[in-house]
Amino acid sequence: GENVEQHPSTLSVQEGDSAVIKCTYSDSASNYFPWYKQELGKGPQLIIDIRSNVGEKKDQRIAVTLNKTAKHFSLHITETQPEDSAVYFCAASPGRNAGNMLTFGGGTRLMVKP
Amino acid sequence: GAVVSQHPSRVICKSGTSVKIECRSLDFQATTMFWYRQFPKQSLMLMATSNEGSKATYEQGVEKDKFLINHASLTLSTLTVTSAHPEDSSFYICSARDLGSGREKLFFGSGTQLSVL
Repeated sequence: GENVEQHPSTLSVQEGDSAVIKCTYSDSASNYFPWYKQELGKGPQLIIDIRSNVGEKKDQRIAVTLNKTAKHFSLHITETQPEDSAVYFCAASPGRNAGNMLTFGGGTRLMVKP
Repeated sequence: GAVVSQHPSRVICKSGTSVKIECRSLDFQATTMFWYRQFPKQSLMLMATSNEGSKATYEQGVEKDKFLINHASLTLSTLTVTSAHPEDSSFYICSARDLGSGREKLFFGSGTQLSVL
């Protein structure tokens, strides 16, 4: 089955700096890669996703890059703000043949210091 | 994005009692919903896949008689923790796919913190 590893487990940045979270996956059949933000006591919120036919996707201060050859993808947050502090999870899905099941990374606790 | 509503957000119960958690898709129909369990500072662990009109599919190690799942309509799935014990205390989260947003997109409810005394 799919295995997703996420690094770092914790990340502390100064407000205004950029934050990068990296994930690797094992199943070359995976073709969908979402990122979720989870605030304390709440459910995960989908913030951005990318499909395997795209190398990069951007939405305002958030961007995701995908390297299918190396089987890794990254989340980039620019101009970080205190409200970006949360736990971020990456995930990978092998698509319809596997019921679109998501495998999650271990999570990254991001702390943005004002 | 699509809205998934989960209730209650927090429940405290005595050991031995049963607790029901509801998960509703508010603005879309969901033939499949998923139930996850999350321990503090850990990732989400898939417990079971809930299929409308049929039996749920449980992940290895999850007791189906302990965690009863009912998916009676296209907008509602329920998880009942039967004869709850302190070790069942956890954060339970449901999710659903909005096929209209693209088959892959998965949206989560706000979670239920279960505390068993």
